[in-house]
Amino acid sequence: TQLLEQSPQFLSIQEGENLTVYCNSSSVFSSLQWYRQEPGEGPVLLVTVVTGGEVKKLKRLTFQFGDARKDSSLHITAAQPGDTGLYLCAGEEGSGGSNYKLTFGKGTLLTVNP
Amino acid sequence: GAGVSQSPSNKVTEKGKDVELRCDPISGHTALYWYRQSLGQGLEFLIYFQGNSAPDKSGLPSDRFSAERTGGSVSTLTIQRTQQEDSAVYLCASSHRGGLYEQYFGPGTRLTVT
Repeated sequence: TQLLEQSPQFLSIQEGENLTVYCNSSSVFSSLQWYRQEPGEGPVLLVTVVTGGEVKKLKRLTFQFGDARKDSSLHITAAQPGDTGLYLCAGEEGSGGSNYKLTFGKGTLLTVNP
Repeated sequence: GAGVSQSPSNKVTEKGKDVELRCDPISGHTALYWYRQSLGQGLEFLIYFQGNSAPDKSGLPSDRFSAERTGGSVSTLTIQRTQQEDSAVYLCASSHRGGLYEQYFGPGTRLTVT
């Protein structure tokens, strides 16, 4: 089973600060997804990265997939209280495109204080 | 349109009792997934359905766990002779197909075994 380690596990910052959370593995993933989960709800997909070295931006969020497709990072600029939530990374096992099983990290619980 | 729905939202049961958890996927989604999320743990894959068949049951923790899907739509996860370690949030997700397609999650069922 491929494992994904996320760090930090908890992060509490003030509104306006920047932050980066990390997702690391010793295994190669064909693609990697980032989700955000709020209390009492299921995770919601933020982005999928497929190509090694890929960078995707979603407003104040920047996602990067490592060149070797073993790690990823999520950077948030000027965090807002609405960014509060559990951020999960998930890697797609297998050769990609034809597989379905996602391996999830344990998540980073982000709290942005006003 | 309607998202993935799950019922009940909360279930408290006594150790040794059987429970059934229900998932209504998004209409037209052929792929359906069950996950378990325990405190401090990431999402743990349980089972994957493509249509009514379950090509991957590898994540079911024991033979007390079973799942079925009928009519290519509603799915039921059954846990027999519940144990305290079964306490968790059970999440269901659906997608258009298996593979690299966005999974849409339901809000989950919080199961507490006393």
